[in-house]
Amino acid sequence: DAKTTQPTSMDCAEGRAANLPCNHSTISGNEYVYWYRQIHSQGPQYIIHGLKNNETNEMASLIITEDRKSSTLILPHATLRDTAVYYCIVSPDNQGGKLIFGQGTELSVKP
Amino acid sequence: GAVVSQHPSRVICKSGTSVKIECRSLDFQATTMFWYRQFPKKSLMLMATSNEGSKATYEQGVEKDKFLINHASLTLSTLTVTSAHPEDSSFYICSAAGLAELQETQYFGPGTRLLVL
Repeated sequence: DAKTTQPTSMDCAEGRAANLPCNHSTISGNEYVYWYRQIHSQGPQYIIHGLKNNETNEMASLIITEDRKSSTLILPHATLRDTAVYYCIVSPDNQGGKLIFGQGTELSVKP
Repeated sequence: GAVVSQHPSRVICKSGTSVKIECRSLDFQATTMFWYRQFPKKSLMLMATSNEGSKATYEQGVEKDKFLINHASLTLSTLTVTSAHPEDSSFYICSAAGLAELQETQYFGPGTRLLVL
C-alpha cells in the first residue's frame, strides 16, 4: 500500500501558484519524498525529491515539514500544460528502490 | 535527462496470442528495470522488478508464467504477455534505474497500450 495521502483533485488558475499537499506521517528516517506527474496517456515524469531540506529546481519547489510528516509541492506559475495527475511517493534513495504509486492528485489548471 | 523508450507504443492482438514489449534505456545503463500496469483512471501498479542477468521479482498477485520478463542486457528489458486475454488490455509502463549517480531515482518510458480483442 502507498504510504502517502493526497487530495483526489485540485483546481488552479493559470499563472497562479499551485500548492499540492501530501501527508506521509509514517515516513522512515531513510526515506525520501519524491514527486512525479503523469500527463494523460504518457509515462510518469520526475519532478523533484528531497529528504529533509526544502528543494527547488526549474520545475517546482518542495517544502517538507520539520517533522517530515507532510510536504507540499509548489508549481510557482501554473500553466495549462501542468494539468496532470501528481504523485507523492516515499522511497529509499538507493537507485534500485521500487516506487509504490498511490492515487495521486488530479490537478486541473484552468484559464 | 535520461531517456527510456518502449516499443511498440500501442498494439492490438487477438485473444490467445503472445505480445512482447521492449523497454530500452537509450543513454545510460540500467541495472534495474521496473514494469507497471495501469488501468483507465487508475494509478500505476507495480508488476515486477527486473535485474540484469537474474530472474525478475514479481509483486504479489502477478502471474510470472503469464508475464514473462527478460533483462538480458543493461539497456534492454522485455515483457511478454503470454496467451493474452481481453482482461490483459492495459497501459504497460517500464522504468529504469541507472548505475551512475543520477538525479532521479527512476526514468519512465512513454508506455505501451495493449488491446486484446
